Amino acid sequence: QSVLTQPPSVSAAPGQRVTIFCSGSSSNLGNNYVSWYQHLPGAAPQLLIYDNDKRPSGIPDRFSGSKSGTSATLGITGLQTGDEADYYCGTWDSSLSAAVFGGGTKLTVL
Amino acid sequence: EVQLVESGGRVVRPRESLRLSCVVSGFTFDDYGMTWVRQAPGKGLEWVSSVNWNGESRGYADAAKGRFTISRDNARNSLYLKMDNLRVEDTAFYYCARAGGTGWRERWFDAWGQGTLVTVSS
Repeated sequence: QSVLTQPPSVSAAPGQRVTIFCSGSSSNLGNNYVSWYQHLPGAAPQLLIYDNDKRPSGIPDRFSGSKSGTSATLGITGLQTGDEADYYCGTWDSSLSAAVFGGGTKLTVL
Repeated sequence: EVQLVESGGRVVRPRESLRLSCVVSGFTFDDYGMTWVRQAPGKGLEWVSSVNWNGESRGYADAAKGRFTISRDNARNSLYLKMDNLRVEDTAFYYCARAGGTGWRERWFDAWGQGTLVTVSS
């Protein structure tokens, strides 16, 4: 069981918007920034969002992040078939003294 | 171009040992903490261990404590993970990743390798 909770799957049509939620607790999301990763099959994971809402260089602004309390959200607009991947939230857990990830959400672009 | 290339994964039997390596290029290695993250078949990402920029501070997940040792050689731009007393449940792809800062308690990882597969089976 992952420390951070994500829905197992989400789906939407090309061009639409999708939101992926991540839920934690006071020892992780409640007191630390969230990051988001995209993991395509057979590829290296890629950082999409760090420090709640910042995008690394090269990540399109179709990807956005936010955090409120012990929950975080990844938004993807203008969905493309190439966005089909697993998405993970991550943060630091101060009680565990460990980096933690969500269980991952599989995005299907119908 | 930032590159991280893992190696050393193979099939081993329970209780055996293995050392993974990660060679990096395209950035100043000793400006960053480094980490190992694994993904078991059909499962999500799991943090394994991290080390700070000079190798003097380290952290381990509970599943790795007492069995795994992370280290780095800044002169060789290399990160290592020595795994002892391997268990079937250690079977996974192991990824090395660059941390978002110089420490080991970093909250994001901004460059990843393609991973190396470790299979523990009798």
